[in-house]
Order: sequence, then structure tokens, then C-alpha cells
Amino acid sequence: AQTVTQSQPEMSVQEAETVTLSCTYDTSENNYYLFWYKQPPSRQMILVIRQEAYKQQNATENRFSVNFQKAAKSFSLKISDSQLGDTAMYFCASTKIQGAQKLVFGQGTRLTINP
Amino acid sequence: DAGVIQSPRHEVTEMGQEVTLRCKPISGHNSLFWYRQTMMRGLELLIYFNNNVPIDDSGMPEDRFSAKMPNASFSTLKIQPSEPRDSAVYFCASSFYSGGKLGEQYFGPGTRLTVT
Repeated sequence: AQTVTQSQPEMSVQEAETVTLSCTYDTSENNYYLFWYKQPPSRQMILVIRQEAYKQQNATENRFSVNFQKAAKSFSLKISDSQLGDTAMYFCASTKIQGAQKLVFGQGTRLTINP
Repeated sequence: DAGVIQSPRHEVTEMGQEVTLRCKPISGHNSLFWYRQTMMRGLELLIYFNNNVPIDDSGMPEDRFSAKMPNASFSTLKIQPSEPRDSAVYFCASSFYSGGKLGEQYFGPGTRLTVT
């Protein structure tokens, strides 16, 4: 079974700072995907970034990047030049590639960007 | 594309009543997922369909919950009878699955259910 753990319930930084959200996971699969989803107050789940486990290169999407450490089963999200609009709940999630592609989510980290 | 459509957006009902949540997936997607979000349990998968067939319903809490997908463009999640502990946000998501390749899941806006 897959499990995902986010150990930081809440984080708060000043606008324009860099912030890193932590995530660890456990899986018996060899191939899988990892994701970070953002959930703003509107409640909509928005995909921020994804990482394919068989790719060593860390994924980046504009100000968002990940630090994927496969051996350590760690998948952190770095937000550079944080903006007020980044304030949201952030969920780390995983899914296997073969068979059921159901997402397993972590508990979430509430991120607040202060002006 | 309109994205995943869910209705209603909010539902308030009394304990014991039947509740039906509806979902219209993105056209062309062949996988549909129902998730539930609560403060205590976070986000958890209830059931998912592939090509209208239920594949994994191990997350369905109990017999009071049932889900159907009569065609590729419509799914329902029914709770009968409802209980206060069913209060949660219910998300529907859809994706296109083609064996061995990831289909990104697109989420609907969710239905906030309150059972009094």
C-alpha cells in the first residue's frame, strides 16, 4: 500500500521569500508518479507539479520546483519568490503507473504568504 | 472545455434523508474518481470507475454509500440514509487512462455536504 506523509501542518513566510514544503512517501512500486496539488480557499484542487519516479531530473514549473530523493522517498516542493496568491493548502500525492491510478494524499500543509 | 462538473455545490440535509451527488466528467475521459475530504481523514478515495465499470470500491465507507456510472458522461454518488458523520466535501475527478501512461486527474469544484 502507498502512504504519503506531510509533517508540516502549517507554514508562514513573507511575500517574495522562498519556502520549502516537505513530503515523504512509502510504496512498494518501482514506477509511480508524485504530485503536489494546491487547494486555495475556493476549494478547487489544482495540480501544481508532477514528477515521474523513473526520471532523475527534478521537475520545475516556473516558480515551483521539487527536490526528489528516490532512495530517501522524499519529495519536497520549493516555491520561489512567493506571492500572496500562493496562500493555500498544499497536498502531496502519489499514484502507481500500472493498474489503478488512484491518488493517495498526504494530510496537507497550510501555507500562508504574508504581505 | 467546461471541466468536471459537479452538482449541487452545496447540500444541507437532515439525518436519515437520501442524498445524491452528481458528476459529469470531461468529455473523452474514461476514468472517474470519487474522493471525500474531511478534517479528520483528509482526502480519501471512495471509488473509481474505468470505462463505466467500478474497479475499486474499497474506500466506500459502508453499505449506505453507493455509486453508479450509467454512461461515460454521468456518475452519481448516493448516501442512504445520511448521517451527520457523512458531512464532508465530495470531489469528483476524471482522467484518460491508457495502460501504463499517466492520465492527469482533473478535479471538479466539489460538493459540500452538511447533514444535520
